[in-house]
Amino acid sequence: QLQLQETGPGLVQPSETLSLSCSVSGDSISSNIYYWGWIRQPPGRGLEWIGSMYYTGGTYYKPSLESRVTISVDTSNNQFSLKLKSVTAADTAVYYCARQGARTYFYVDVWGKGTTVTVSS
Amino acid sequence: QSVLTQPPSVSAAPGQKVTISCSGSSSNIGNNYVSWYQHLPGTAPKLLIYDNIKRPSGIPDRFSGSKSGTSAALDITGLQPGDEADYYCATWESNLSAGGVFGGGTKLTVL
Repeated sequence: QLQLQETGPGLVQPSETLSLSCSVSGDSISSNIYYWGWIRQPPGRGLEWIGSMYYTGGTYYKPSLESRVTISVDTSNNQFSLKLKSVTAADTAVYYCARQGARTYFYVDVWGKGTTVTVSS
Repeated sequence: QSVLTQPPSVSAAPGQKVTISCSGSSSNIGNNYVSWYQHLPGTAPKLLIYDNIKRPSGIPDRFSGSKSGTSAALDITGLQPGDEADYYCATWESNLSAGGVFGGGTKLTVL
């Protein structure tokens, strides 16, 4: 059974870079139909798609975050990561890593449990 | 402000039926598939519907999806107290700013 697990610091200083990793178990990240990506939920707000990546390198990012976001895949360790630079309090959220359907077939069928990241000094 | 519009809240009594709507445009719902999610506090969201109408294994047929033009809907019949949760629609945005988009979410209260 496919499982995803987020790891990373729970507290990040303003203006620093948020870095999270997602370990994939139970399937290969080199699946030929799925994208791997990140979704977040700020406190009291709804779900927000951040971006996704295919294992060969194609990426999509939310336009308003694109200048600050990088998603990368490490096929040798079956994991992928999120980097969000120049964070502010507005980036405080529960961050989920997820397996996603591709483009027009977009859906999220497997989610990590989520990790809370607080941006504060 | 999401590009997909959902009612903030809906409510109904146990055993009744409720419909949650999701309105978009030709660049998202109109030309892409819609999915629906149930989100309980403190847990990861759960996929209920994908490709407009399909249910993943294990999702009861009380949950059904539909799509017409630039709108989609999630029907829940035989409401149970455990259905009380936040529900989100999602799809792909195909314009120059391509990417996934979620609706703002709908809080379902089972009276």
